[in-house]
Amino acid sequence: EVQLVESGGGLVKPGGSLKISCAASGFTFSMYKMNWVRQTPGKGLEWVSSISSKSSHIFYADSVRGRFTISRDNAQNSLHLQMNNLTVADTAVYYCARDSLGGSSLDYWGQGTRATVSS
Amino acid sequence: SYVLTQPPSLSVAPGQTATITCEGHNIASKAVHWYQQKPGQAPVLVVYDDRARPSGIPDRFSGSNSGNTATLTITRVEAGDEADFYCQVWDPSHDHRRVFGGGTTLTVL
Repeated sequence: EVQLVESGGGLVKPGGSLKISCAASGFTFSMYKMNWVRQTPGKGLEWVSSISSKSSHIFYADSVRGRFTISRDNAQNSLHLQMNNLTVADTAVYYCARDSLGGSSLDYWGQGTRATVSS
Repeated sequence: SYVLTQPPSLSVAPGQTATITCEGHNIASKAVHWYQQKPGQAPVLVVYDDRARPSGIPDRFSGSNSGNTATLTITRVEAGDEADFYCQVWDPSHDHRRVFGGGTTLTVL
């Protein structure tokens, strides 16, 4: 069974940093492109970042480029998002999502981890 | 950048058909995916590549894509279908981003 379990969310002050992680199991993690998608309170979904299977291709949304860094450890089956210089607008539930093989849909999602940026 | 537009809400009686639209410029040239998100839960893929269904998704869920509009159709709507629905495409011309529609809240009367 495919499982994606996020962790590391919490409360941080504006300008602060937070690193969230996603532990993957039930599939060959090293074969799949992975993504972070966030959802602000009461709002819709926003794609944040993606990383290819071997970390050779990395992309970011304009809203986070230069502040967030996506990474992965295929030996540990884990995905990470380092978030720096956080603002109130970054308050959201962050989901880890797997790219479908050979497609562009997100076929499995974790339950999310909440990051709250507040003074 | 590419924009997807969905109606904010839709209300349907049980047993009827719900039709949720997703508009985008020449969207027929893109693969459209649909997600269902129930309150407090993560999104679930219900239709991918315009009309395909993942295993476990009932055949009451179907999709189509033509011109500037993609459509998710749910037949014989049940109370358990009440959720937010999001369409999504891949935009390789802009950082390979995934683009989501604003979401449609389906209410079962």
